[in-house]
Amino acid sequence: EAGVTQFPSHSVIEKGQTVTLRCDPISGHDNLYWYRRVMGKEIKFLLHFVKESKQDESGMPNNRFLAERTGGTYSTLKVQPAELEDSGVYFCASSQDKKGEAFFGQGTRLTVV
Amino acid sequence: GESVGLHLPTLSVQEGDNSIINCAYSNSASDYFIWYKQESGKGPQFIIDIRSNMDKRQGQRVTVLLNKTVKHLSLQIAATQPGDSAVYFCAEDGNQGGKLIFGQGTELSVKP
Repeated sequence: EAGVTQFPSHSVIEKGQTVTLRCDPISGHDNLYWYRRVMGKEIKFLLHFVKESKQDESGMPNNRFLAERTGGTYSTLKVQPAELEDSGVYFCASSQDKKGEAFFGQGTRLTVV
Repeated sequence: GESVGLHLPTLSVQEGDNSIINCAYSNSASDYFIWYKQESGKGPQFIIDIRSNMDKRQGQRVTVLLNKTVKHLSLQIAATQPGDSAVYFCAEDGNQGGKLIFGQGTELSVKP
């Protein structure tokens, strides 16, 4: 069974540009989460989808970040316009149950220059 | 605010020794805790979890201990191997709908 996959694995963009990250969760997992790790600090929650609905987006830093999960399958996270402080590793995770093992993707390393 | 923190940012052990990684949490409402291992270039990988109705849980070479009185969590790795070298994160489910609160991470380095 395929795990959580993220694309791209790396992205280098200039400040002010737009980047879209994609996450394909494990098939059948209704719960999809976005996290990020900035500058080697702790991994921080961004938001949580249950199917196509946003359950919790309390961790989204500001309105430059937009997440979607149309159809309840894959999800995208768009940053527009990107700022230098957005650099970091963005992880996606999925789980079958809210309280249970969450499986993480390999992450997308975003560098804004 | 709520937080999960680690006592030691780095830990270096000799191959074959036991490793202990500690973690403190502050949300007394949390009832589910997980340890993740992250190797370079990879995403966090589930190691072991424990629910708040338990104080100890064992896996293969790993044991998690939970002390709710002092809000402390630890991960013990027996007979540490070079392949155990990674960053280890503790995480708590703060009963907030499924999101996890992570600690800063401890880098474990195993010397051959």
